[in-house]
Amino acid sequence: KAGVTQTPRYLIKTRGQQVTLSCSPISGHRSVSWYQQTPGQGLQFLFEYFSETQRNKGNFPGRFSGRQFSNSRSEMNVSTLELGDSALYLCASSTSSRGYTFGSGTRLTVV
Amino acid sequence: DQQVKQNSPSLSVQEGRISILNCDYTNSMFDYFLWYKKYPAEGPTFLISISSIKDKNEDGRFTVFLNKSAKHLSLHIVPSQPGDSAVYFCAATSNAGGTSYGKLTFGQGTILTVHP
Repeated sequence: KAGVTQTPRYLIKTRGQQVTLSCSPISGHRSVSWYQQTPGQGLQFLFEYFSETQRNKGNFPGRFSGRQFSNSRSEMNVSTLELGDSALYLCASSTSSRGYTFGSGTRLTVV
Repeated sequence: DQQVKQNSPSLSVQEGRISILNCDYTNSMFDYFLWYKKYPAEGPTFLISISSIKDKNEDGRFTVFLNKSAKHLSLHIVPSQPGDSAVYFCAATSNAGGTSYGKLTFGQGTILTVHP
């Protein structure tokens, strides 16, 4: 069965712009979580969506937002990009709190 | 406040020997623990997990041990192979709902290098 698909794989944006990243979970998985990985902070939880509702949110500014569609696909948006937003953004899908499968990530570079 | 810690940034092991990666946690609400393997610019790949009701779980060359009283877990890889060289992350979660939904708390990772 297909894994978690994230698009695009690489992205270069300019400071002040906004960006939207996409995640298609494994078929049947209704929970999608997003993470940011940076060399300094490691893997940090951004938010989680389940059945189109945000159930949990990490400690990130309001510039980071997301949504989930009825087919469980999820998008993550970052507005007013800053240099520090350069990171690998990962999404993970799950059927429960016991199994998380990650996508390959989107490498965002802000210049 | 780092709730999951991997105190060894790196570990170097000879092929065929045992690799032991360690992880400590502080949050008593964590009741499920996972180990992931990660290559640069790729997503983490699940290796093995353990529930807090167990103290050991084994899958092939990988064994995870959990010591709840010490809030410590370890991943043993026997025998180690050069293909095991990667960054290993320990992660923890809780079934408590609320602020636990969908959230894995990760350690900082340990770079494992297995020499031929």
